[in-house]
Amino acid sequence: QAVVTQEPSLTVSPGGTVTLTCGSSTGAVTSGHYPYWFQQQPGQAPRTLIYDTSDKHSWTPARFSGSLLGGKAALTLSGAQPEDEADYYCLIYYSGARVFGGGTKLTVL
Amino acid sequence: QVQLVQSGAEVKKPGASVKLSCKASGYTFTKYFLHWVRQAPGQRLEWLGWIHVGNDNTQYSQNFQGRVTITRDTSASTAYMELSSLSSEDTAVYYCATKTGGSDFDIWGKGTVVTVSS
Repeated sequence: QAVVTQEPSLTVSPGGTVTLTCGSSTGAVTSGHYPYWFQQQPGQAPRTLIYDTSDKHSWTPARFSGSLLGGKAALTLSGAQPEDEADYYCLIYYSGARVFGGGTKLTVL
Repeated sequence: QVQLVQSGAEVKKPGASVKLSCKASGYTFTKYFLHWVRQAPGQRLEWLGWIHVGNDNTQYSQNFQGRVTITRDTSASTAYMELSSLSSEDTAVYYCATKTGGSDFDIWGKGTVVTVSS
């Protein structure tokens, strides 16, 4: 089974910009992997922020955006807010199956 | 109201099986895939598998192949996930999630806590 890798932890200053990445052991992540990004607050179920690389839900704050960057999926947060401190997981599609990354703990400090 | 309501907490002994339920309401149950995901304490999310509720097709994670079975009862708008040969490593919160609009994981259940302990 493929392994999906994320930065274990990142720190961003309030109002700052940070990019989280999501790589695949099978090679470059492409739009055909339909990458997802989830946010999980402590004790809560995850919620989808980004799907199919860059599509947003109605509840996704405008400061979050998704893209492909250097062979990886990327989640960029521009103008970080204290409430953005959370765990972020990417999910990659492999011929029907899905694999989660290890998650990134984002600290806003 | 669109929601997934999951069954209550379970405590199981090693070697046993557990069958969890996920009852859907507020949308057309048979239209989409329904996924099961779990999270052990302090650990990453893990995808277990999906069922297409309309045609009963399933696909499972290689990590759980042979141990997990996902089924559905369309008359009850309920999906089930059974995990066998439990060990302490299966202690986790188990979530169901499905598509109601844009993404495959639009809505999530609140999760079911499964504890495996002798």
